[in-house]
Amino acid sequence: GQQVMQIPQYQHVQEGEDFTTYCNSSTTLSNIQWYKQRPGGHPVFLIQLVKSGEVKKQKRLTFQFGEAKKNSSLHITATQTTDVGTYFCAGRRYNQGGKLIFGQGTELSVKP
Amino acid sequence: DVKVTQSSRYLVKRTGEKVFLECVQDMDHENMFWYRQDPGLGLRLIYFSYDVKMKEKGDIPEGYSVSREKKERFSLILESASTNQTSMYLCASSARQGGNEKLFFGSGTQLSVL
Repeated sequence: GQQVMQIPQYQHVQEGEDFTTYCNSSTTLSNIQWYKQRPGGHPVFLIQLVKSGEVKKQKRLTFQFGEAKKNSSLHITATQTTDVGTYFCAGRRYNQGGKLIFGQGTELSVKP
Repeated sequence: DVKVTQSSRYLVKRTGEKVFLECVQDMDHENMFWYRQDPGLGLRLIYFSYDVKMKEKGDIPEGYSVSREKKERFSLILESASTNQTSMYLCASSARQGGNEKLFFGSGTQLSVL
């Protein structure tokens, strides 16, 4: 079954509102990556988090890795229509030979 | 920029047909992967390869096989296509970086099995 759970599945926001998607793993991860897939496109790498409690920012996007390295979040401040798409987290487990396990994704729609 | 090219954007096949999905990357990456993407399920790993002629099963390998005869090419084979294999198939590659590899994806092949 799915080993990395991501919520919510869908999020509809008004432009200017904030947005957050959450990922949870049942086991400790060596690192976690985030990808964005625009409608009709393919996933594109955004960022990787490696350290416990790590926080990284990319303009309006803030990524966090939990202290126990089992959960992560992506927060977008003041969404814009260009943020539309599906956001995936992907975790890498220590005993899995480096392969990535993707969450189900959160589809974000932004109403102008 | 890394380019991962999948041979077909859309493909329609009949139940029982043998289907080949081709993927080529131009950045000399060691690692290549095949995922399928279904609504509500995210990306699920079918097979992956860390080297030429090497392959490992992912999470959902049943009904699929792969071939990696050359470093740049990774083929996914559906021996006898079934309707439950209708899906978006995504190929990806990455350089070997000791567990920090980021994936570069192709544009995907939307396969419909009738």
